[in-house]
Amino acid sequence: LAKTTQPISMDSYEGQEVNITCSHNNIATNDYITWYQQFPSQGPRFIIQGYKTKVTNEVASLFIPADRKSSTLSLPRVSLSDTAVYYCLVSNQAGTALIFGKGTTLSVSS
Amino acid sequence: GAVVSQHPSWVICKSGTSVKIECRSLDFQATTMFWYRQFPKQSLMLMATSNEGSKATYEQGVEKDKFLINHASLTLSTLTVTSAHPEDSSFYICSARAPGAMVDTQYFGPGTRLTVL
Repeated sequence: LAKTTQPISMDSYEGQEVNITCSHNNIATNDYITWYQQFPSQGPRFIIQGYKTKVTNEVASLFIPADRKSSTLSLPRVSLSDTAVYYCLVSNQAGTALIFGKGTTLSVSS
Repeated sequence: GAVVSQHPSWVICKSGTSVKIECRSLDFQATTMFWYRQFPKQSLMLMATSNEGSKATYEQGVEKDKFLINHASLTLSTLTVTSAHPEDSSFYICSARAPGAMVDTQYFGPGTRLTVL
């Protein structure tokens, strides 16, 4: 599985847009990129998944450039409740287990 | 999204006893489930892959005789921590593969906090 690299931490204020970038230089042709959010003492929650270009849902957008060696999770107008750890993972249709990196701890202040 | 439940949500036990944790996929069938362990301030660590009807596959360093996994049906996998010791205290999380729009997606349970006294 492709190894991912993310910033360890990020700080933001309520109402701002937050962009978290993840690099996955060794991503394979059939790999997808998935982002999860985790609050303390809870299991990770699926946020968004994509293969290329842009994917948007009700909570976030995912931008993937043509070379797919990186991806950016965009959270519009964050609130205090978005304070959490965000994990970027690469997976494929084979369904092998997800290997978690350290994730990005996002702290949102008022 | 697909829902995965775990039971119990927390458990306290005495050293030397065994504890069973259940993981259920509530609205889909899961041929494959995964078990993770998470220590405070750390990321999730994969322990084993649970396949329905067959033996689990354990990650290197995880004792299969200590962490017994049974995937008896398409909606239930169990993890039994045998002869638990204080160092087994951790947050145990399961996940299950569900069909997704583009690729199978893993959905996670809420986790089980195990404290061994």
